[in-house]
Amino acid sequence: GAGVSQSPSNKVTEKGKDVELRCDPISGHTALYWYRQSLGQGLEFLIYFQGNSAPDKSGLPSDRFSAERTGGSVSTLTIQRTQQEDSAVYLCASSPTGTKTQYFGPGTRLLVL
Amino acid sequence: GDSVTQMEGPVTLSEEAFLTINCTYTATGYPSLFWYVQYPGEGLQLLLKATKADDKGSNKGFEATYRKETTSFHLEKGSVQVSDSAVYFCALIPPGSNYQLIWGAGTKLIIKP
Repeated sequence: GAGVSQSPSNKVTEKGKDVELRCDPISGHTALYWYRQSLGQGLEFLIYFQGNSAPDKSGLPSDRFSAERTGGSVSTLTIQRTQQEDSAVYLCASSPTGTKTQYFGPGTRLLVL
Repeated sequence: GDSVTQMEGPVTLSEEAFLTINCTYTATGYPSLFWYVQYPGEGLQLLLKATKADDKGSNKGFEATYRKETTSFHLEKGSVQVSDSAVYFCALIPPGSNYQLIWGAGTKLIIKP
């Protein structure tokens, strides 16, 4: 079956611009996660959704970052007023109810110039 | 807090050599333990997992045993191939949580023909 998909695969933007990153989880998966992978920081947890609600937003690095999930499916991660330190690969994962196994998408590589 | 420590890479081996990548963890109770692999240019893939002490996860010739007494989850393979060249990540989900993966720094594995 189809895996987790993310779009765009690559995004180049100018400092100060807003960007939106999209994640389509595996159909039927109730939980959705965003992580960030960067050279200096490794893999960092950003936010977790159970259905449409986000019980844990503790990993969002600043108030420039926000995320939403609609219809228990697609999620969008928005970064406002991007900074160069936001450059990273943004990874989305999903998992079905009752399991701790997370299935990852290919990521969106963001470069802020 | 909870954490994962992996051996630093890169690890360079010849084809058909025996592989061990060390992973130790710090957590209270019994976390769930995972190995993920990231092949060049691809997303993270679950390689194997173990959810309780003495469990052995295995996949594609790789094995790891959950050792509570040594808080370890070392990855092993008896005979590596060039196609195993990738970055390997050890991770845990703390007990009582079902979402936030806590990651090791990753170990780059290079297999030479």
